[in-house]
Amino acid sequence: GAVVSQHPSRVICKSGTSVKIECRSLDFQATTMFWYRQFPKQSLMLMATSNEGSKATYEQGVEKDKFLINHASLTLSTLTVTSAHPEDSSFYICSARDLRRGYNEQFFGPGTRLTVL
Amino acid sequence: AQTVTQSQPEMSVQEAETVTLSCTYDTSESNYYLFWYKQPPSRQMILVIRQEAYKQQNATENRFSVNFQKAAKSFSLKISDSQLGDTAMYFCAFMRRYGGSQGNLIFGKGTKLSVKP
Repeated sequence: GAVVSQHPSRVICKSGTSVKIECRSLDFQATTMFWYRQFPKQSLMLMATSNEGSKATYEQGVEKDKFLINHASLTLSTLTVTSAHPEDSSFYICSARDLRRGYNEQFFGPGTRLTVL
Repeated sequence: AQTVTQSQPEMSVQEAETVTLSCTYDTSESNYYLFWYKQPPSRQMILVIRQEAYKQQNATENRFSVNFQKAAKSFSLKISDSQLGDTAMYFCAFMRRYGGSQGNLIFGKGTKLSVKP
């Protein structure tokens, strides 16, 4: 149980285009989902917290208009990187929280590697 | 603000031996969770062990155990009988239990562990 999927696993796009990454909780309802960014050989940095049915909360320094987050249902959150540039190339990881489990554990997706040419 | 520090960027251990990874954190909170996550080359984040701050007893999960020193704000991970599959990045993480940013994970920079045959 508590499986989180991400799609796509890898994406290559041209500079200036937009890319959408999906994060799904497959066997539980996730009231909250989190989006992280991880540069090579570095730690995970929280970008935003996504709550179902409400606006996402972005961390300081994260551009809201560039990284659009939508959490339209209890099992799906999407991250859209708009007008992507090479510096947006990174590994993006989502996680989801299942409060029914009684503690604040986050379950992580397998990540999406974005390469912007 | 909470911070998590892992002072060992890289470590290595011989197969079947024991290794301890260090983690310190800084917080003014009294109620929180601490975690160790493993990120193998596949980059899938895997929960290794969890500790609730109000519990004095150190958490254990099979070959993995922690030494939680609340007063010293120290949370080290001991891996016994190391196996080749333990080779991975290990991240220490902090989570507030209550209040703003509840549920947000704050990660350390990670320790790269190599288990050698």
